[in-house]
Amino acid sequence: ELKVEQNPLFLSMQEGKNYTIYCNYSTTSDRLYWYRQDPGKSLESLFVLLSNGAVKQEGRLMASLDTKARLSTLHITAAVHDLSATYFCAVDKPPRGSNYKLTFGKGTLLTVNP
Amino acid sequence: NAGVTQTPKFRILKIGQSMTLQCTQDMNHNYMYWYRQDPGMGLKLIYYSVGAGITDKGEVPNGYNVSRSTTEDFPLRLELAAPSQTSVYFCASGRALPYNEQFFGPGTRLTVL
Repeated sequence: ELKVEQNPLFLSMQEGKNYTIYCNYSTTSDRLYWYRQDPGKSLESLFVLLSNGAVKQEGRLMASLDTKARLSTLHITAAVHDLSATYFCAVDKPPRGSNYKLTFGKGTLLTVNP
Repeated sequence: NAGVTQTPKFRILKIGQSMTLQCTQDMNHNYMYWYRQDPGMGLKLIYYSVGAGITDKGEVPNGYNVSRSTTEDFPLRLELAAPSQTSVYFCASGRALPYNEQFFGPGTRLTVL
């Protein structure tokens, strides 16, 4: 059974600080997805990471994937209040040819304080 | 494009009642999914479909049924509602290939009393 673990589950940051959210998964996969969810809202796709060493950046967020370590990170640079949200990672379960399901982590609730 | 739409946004049911949650997508995606989200538990897959006429169970299918008669629509049926089905339900769609990015609807908040 594929397991996806995020940590921390709760993160309270000060504006201007840097921090990293970690996503570990239990089986071989080279495809990982990051989503953002604002309170009471739906999930919005942030990043799609498709190979070992992949790095994607948008604004103050940068995501990377290390398939050998089965680890993805979401790095937050100089946090601002607008980044407050819940962040989910999700992994494809191989074999890709016959399985089209994502397994989600429990999410990291990020609160950025002034 | 409207993307993925869901109705209703909110619903309160009494124990034992039934209802259908509607989901429609206009992106011509073959793959559609139903998830439930409970606080602190992430998303759990209820059912999914890889095309019209083809559906399969996810992690937590008990108490639910689905059908897929068209590419666009993927309704979720709750029979004999129970308090354990109180949750937020999200429908999603995607192409699965070459990668499985999924696009989510706005959700339905269901309370069973």
